[in-house]
Parts: sequence; structure tokens; C-alpha cells
Amino acid sequence: DSGVTQTPKHLITATGQRVTLRCSPRSGDLSVYWYQQSLDQGLQFLIQYYNGEERAKGNILERFSAQQFPDLHSELNLSSLELGDSALYFCASSGEGYTGELFFGEGSRLTVL
Amino acid sequence: AQSVTQLDSQVPVFEEAPVELRCNYSSSVSVYLFWYVQYPNQGLQLLLKYLSGSTLVKGINGFEAEFNKSQTSFHLRKPSVHISDTAEYFCAVTPLGGYNKLIFGAGTRLAVHP
Repeated sequence: DSGVTQTPKHLITATGQRVTLRCSPRSGDLSVYWYQQSLDQGLQFLIQYYNGEERAKGNILERFSAQQFPDLHSELNLSSLELGDSALYFCASSGEGYTGELFFGEGSRLTVL
Repeated sequence: AQSVTQLDSQVPVFEEAPVELRCNYSSSVSVYLFWYVQYPNQGLQLLLKYLSGSTLVKGINGFEAEFNKSQTSFHLRKPSVHISDTAEYFCAVTPLGGYNKLIFGAGTRLAVHP
């Protein structure tokens, strides 16, 4: 158990809809990262937050947005969903320092029909 | 920018045989290097990391990796694999001062057969 909690584990929705994925980081971790894992694109870095502030941005679509709240949990919002958004979305957290050790949740599997 | 190439998408191997999973990276700046493992229906977990110092790094579950700066490689090895090592293995890099933004390779599926 990594200590990172993601909900929901599975989500099935239709094209054009909007969903919210939630992540609770490990206790004490200030950084939260979102990754998308799909068969064709592999693991893609989406965005990173540190203590409520956006720190780094990756290949995140404009239809997607994220935030980190004062209690350090984070939400990833996906809107105007397309079939190609079907993927496993991982949240990870890390402690202080830049050691590259991320602790991953088990992911939220999104299926867009 | 950084990129990671995992040279084998799948590696089949028999139990108790040695294995090497290959990883090459590209970067114009110094990087930290990592191997992560993903077991079925689970998130990724860190196997080992190279930050500095000795180029031979030992990790969990008997795995080790060697950093070769001249060849920009970071190959993962295990002298004797077990069925339980069947998983997806990801090589990753992050530039020094890169806020832990990991860039992952495409992954190598290790399938250990009895």
C-alpha cells in the first residue's frame, strides 16, 4: 500500500460528459502528480501541484484541469470527453526534495463509450 | 527535453534464468534515473534509482542496474528471475532540479515462464 488513495477505481461514461477524479496523497506529502496511461501513448505526465500551486505542466489537454486543495487532496477534471480519453489515470505524491521517488495510487480507469 | 527508449516491449524468460531489460535515455542536462515496476492491476512502485555515486545500483527484489554515462544507458538486471517478477517495468528520468517530473519509457513486459 503506497498510501495514495484514488477514487473512483473505475468509471464508465459517455462522450461529451465531464468527470472528476480524486486523489489523496500520502500523509505529509506536499506534491501531487497526475499521469495518464494508455496503450498507444504509454505513461504521460499531465500536471504537478506543490502545496496548492501548479508547479509543472505536461501534455495536459485544455479540456482537462486540475487543482490541489488546502487539505492537499487533488482533483483532475476531464470535460467534453472523447473516446480517446479512455485510459488509466494515476495520481502520485512525493515528499520534500527532488529524488524522483513518487508513490503511486492504484489508478482510476476511465472508459468513455 | 528528455526522452527514454526501452528497447524491448516484451521479454519472455524462463524461471531462474537471468534477465536484462534495456533502457537508453536522451538529455542535454544531467538526470536522475529510475526503474519502476507495475504489477497487474496496481500502481507503479520504485525498484531502484540512480542519483549520484556508484554507477551500480541495487534495488528491491534482487534487481540491480548500471548507469553508463557514455552510452546513456541504464539497463536493469536480475541474475535469477521468479514467476512473481512477471510485471511491466518502466525506465524513467528526471532532470536535476526538474521538480520530480518523471519522463517514462514505453515499458517492457517481463513474462517469466515455469
